[in-house]
Amino acid sequence: KQEVTQIPAALSVPEGENLVLNCSFTDSAIYNLQWFRQDPGKGLTSLLLIQSSQREQTSGRLNASLDKSSGRSTLYIAASQPGDSATYLCAVSASGSARQLTFGSGTQLTVLP
Amino acid sequence: NAGVTQTPKFQVLKTGQSMTLQCAQDMNHEYMSWYRQDPGMGLRLIHYSVGAGITDQGEVPNGYNVSRSTTEDFPLRLLSAAPSQTSVYFCASSSGQFNQPQHFGDGTRLSIL
Repeated sequence: KQEVTQIPAALSVPEGENLVLNCSFTDSAIYNLQWFRQDPGKGLTSLLLIQSSQREQTSGRLNASLDKSSGRSTLYIAASQPGDSATYLCAVSASGSARQLTFGSGTQLTVLP
Repeated sequence: NAGVTQTPKFQVLKTGQSMTLQCAQDMNHEYMSWYRQDPGMGLRLIHYSVGAGITDQGEVPNGYNVSRSTTEDFPLRLLSAAPSQTSVYFCASSSGQFNQPQHFGDGTRLSIL
């Protein structure tokens, strides 16, 4: 059974700092990996999707990398802002069920002004 | 576009009561799914549908029923509510193409007393 782990569970950084969020998964036979953002009381917003054949994806200040063989992904946030404060969730889909996601429990990020 | 709409946003039930959580999407997405989110845990898949008339079980289907009579709607039914079903429920949809991000509703916060 696929298991997804995100460490740390919570992170607090000063504004302007570059930071890295980590995600690890136990079964490397994934179809893709997605990073989501969740604001309090809200649903999930997809940030980046990395296909299994890709190494990284970038969107603005966000960069996500994928090392399928080692079962790891990182989300890099450059020049963090207070508006980046949210919970970030990592999810993987299996090769045989590409749209069924297995989620990590998330990293709660606080960017202090 | 409204995206994925979930109703109600909040609900309190007594043990043994039944209810239906509504989910509608206006993006003509083939794939729809229901997840529950519990504190300290990632989202877990309850049921999913790959198109009208087709549903299947996810990781935690016990106590829930679904049906998909139209492309737009995917209701989740709690047959006899139990305190263990206290959770936040999210509906998601995505297009028929793989490697497309999933779109989530804002959730239904359900408490079972």
